[in-house]
Amino acid sequence: SQQGEEDPQALSIQEGENATMNCSYKTSINNLQWYRQNSGRGLVHLILIRSNEREKHSGRLRVTLDTSKKSSSLLITASRAADTASYFCATVALIANTGNQFYFGTGTSLTVIP
Amino acid sequence: DSGVTQTPKHLITATGQRVTLRCSPRSGDLSVYWYQQSLDQGLQFLIQYYNGEERAKGNILERFSAQQFPDLHSELNLSSLELGDSALYFCASSVTGGTQYFGPGTRLTVL
Repeated sequence: SQQGEEDPQALSIQEGENATMNCSYKTSINNLQWYRQNSGRGLVHLILIRSNEREKHSGRLRVTLDTSKKSSSLLITASRAADTASYFCATVALIANTGNQFYFGTGTSLTVIP
Repeated sequence: DSGVTQTPKHLITATGQRVTLRCSPRSGDLSVYWYQQSLDQGLQFLIQYYNGEERAKGNILERFSAQQFPDLHSELNLSSLELGDSALYFCASSVTGGTQYFGPGTRLTVL
C-alpha cells in the first residue's frame, strides 16, 4: 500500500516548544501534502511540497522531503495551544490510466499544553 | 470555510436502512473524493469521481455506491447499514492532484 505512516502516533508538548512529525511512504510521488484536523472537523490543507523540492516554509511551518528515503517531516515552531489537532500527511502519486491518487497517512495527534 | 458543503450534518438511523449523503464541491473543482473516518480505522479513502466519471476506488464496500451528477455534486449511498458503518463521512474536492478541500463531514450513527 502507498499509505503514509506518521510517527509518532501521539505527541504532547508545552506551549512554546517545537513539534516535529514524520511521514514515511512507499512509492514514487508527485507531491506530498500536510493537513490538519481539529476534533470532528474536516481536514484543512497546510502545505504542499513537490517531489523536486527539499524544503518549504509557511509561517511557523517547515516541511522537508527526502525522496531517497521516502520520508517527510513537518516542524511546527513556537507551538501554541491552538495547534492542538491531528496532523496527516497525504502523498499524491500519478497512477497510469487513473490520474493523481491521494493516500492519507494514519495521523499524529498533537497536544500543546498551555 | 472550504467552499465544500455536505448535508446532512448528522444522521441517525437503524441497522438495515439506506441513507444518502450529499456533497457540493467548490466552484470549479471537477474532482470529488469520499472518505470514511472512524476511531479504529482512521481516514479511509472510499472513491473518487472526476467530471462525472468514476476515477478511483478505495476501500469501498459493495453496499456503498456513489455518483457525480452533471452539476458536479456527488452523492454517497450507503445501504443495508450495519453498526460498524457509524463514522464521519467526508467529501473533498480538488483540481486534480492539487490541494484537497474538505467539507465539514456528515456524522452517521447507526443504532
